[in-house]
Amino acid sequence: TQLLEQSPQFLSIQEGENLTVYCNSSSVFSSLQWYRQEPGEGPVLLVTVVTGGEVKKLKRLTFQFGDARKDSSLHITAAQTGDTGLYLCAGRPRGAQKLVFGQGTRLTINP
Amino acid sequence: EAGVAQSPRYKIIEKRQSVAFWCNPISGHATLYWYQQILGQGPKLLIQFQNNGVVDDSQLPKDRFSAERLKGVDSTLKIQPAKLEDSAVYLCASTFGSYNEQFFGPGTRLTVL
Repeated sequence: TQLLEQSPQFLSIQEGENLTVYCNSSSVFSSLQWYRQEPGEGPVLLVTVVTGGEVKKLKRLTFQFGDARKDSSLHITAAQTGDTGLYLCAGRPRGAQKLVFGQGTRLTINP
Repeated sequence: EAGVAQSPRYKIIEKRQSVAFWCNPISGHATLYWYQQILGQGPKLLIQFQNNGVVDDSQLPKDRFSAERLKGVDSTLKIQPAKLEDSAVYLCASTFGSYNEQFFGPGTRLTVL
């Protein structure tokens, strides 16, 4: 069974600070996605990373896929209150059409 | 393009009652998923359909949960009888594309008393 462990589970910081969220596994994934979920809504896709070592940037968010495709990180620069939400990583196991989700990181950005 | 639709948005029932949820995926998306998300956790896959066939239902508690997808479009998920631990948000998602990027509906929040 493939498992994805996210850390930290909770993070509360001040607006303007930087932060990194980690997503780790002992299993290899063919691709990995990050989603953000706000209260009362479904998760919304932020990015998909496919190649080991791949780095993708989305404005102030930087996503990296580990060289061995077992882990990923999300870095936010100069966090804003609008970044508040539940961040979920999800990996696609090799040969499968499904996603395995981490337990999520609940991020709160305080003004 | 319309998103994934789900109804109802909220449902409160007593234990041992039955309940059904409905999902209409994005037009043209062949693959549909039902997830259970317990408060504070990530979504857990219950069942995956490809068109109207089941691909994966290994984590579906089949003694009480059932799901169908008629004509490869809409889907319903049923719980009968409900238990207290079934209190959760039930998410429907559909997908297309090489990397299984999923589009989620807003979810149905179920409370079992």
